Amino acid sequence: DADVTQTPRNRITKTGKRIMLECSQTKGHDRMYWYRQDPGLGLRLIYYSFDVKDINKGEISDGYSVSRQAQAKFSLSLESAIPNQTALYFCATSDTRQGWTGELFFGEGSRLTVL
Amino acid sequence: RKEVEQDPGPFNVPEGATVAFNCTYSNSASQSFFWYRQDCRKEPKLLMSVYSSGNEDGRFTAQLNRASQYISLLIRDSKLSDSATYLCVVNDRGSTLGRLYFGRGTQLTVWP
Repeated sequence: DADVTQTPRNRITKTGKRIMLECSQTKGHDRMYWYRQDPGLGLRLIYYSFDVKDINKGEISDGYSVSRQAQAKFSLSLESAIPNQTALYFCATSDTRQGWTGELFFGEGSRLTVL
Repeated sequence: RKEVEQDPGPFNVPEGATVAFNCTYSNSASQSFFWYRQDCRKEPKLLMSVYSSGNEDGRFTAQLNRASQYISLLIRDSKLSDSATYLCVVNDRGSTLGRLYFGRGTQLTVWP
């Protein structure tokens, strides 16, 4: 089983719908992240969380919200989806409790299409 | 201006070839540098960190030039399995710890 699990893996929805992408990890890492990847634009940070009580905006947080329900769970919500939010979304974790190597551990991605 | 710039390629090389990728970063205060690898339709994974003195891991060599704000990755004796997109990644010391900036990636295809 994957250490970082994202659900759903694929989703097609319509403009204006509320969508939630969920991420859970079994690695025990303190930090969690949500990125989106678009062709030609690379990975861009949406939100990140240092721990359950610490949520921070990334480069492109407008139109998104997050919730860190537990150390192991970090969900991303699109309150009212729009077509330009069509992208591949990645959840990632990192472990900084003993210093940080710079390694992020990614889930397998959630492909979202907004029609 | 994007934090990290890479030549998107694609690079198409035969097996056994040597190929080099370059990357530049905009923030001179950046502290940590990495190369990640992303296979088609898969998640990115850390390939190697890049140290100031340069470092090697088997067929892969990473170099850092702080004066020119330039990072490179050299792959020797390319294998078919090296076909992937290579992401240059920079940790900006000026931002909160643990934030990484990703380049757009350089696509490599190794053909038989």
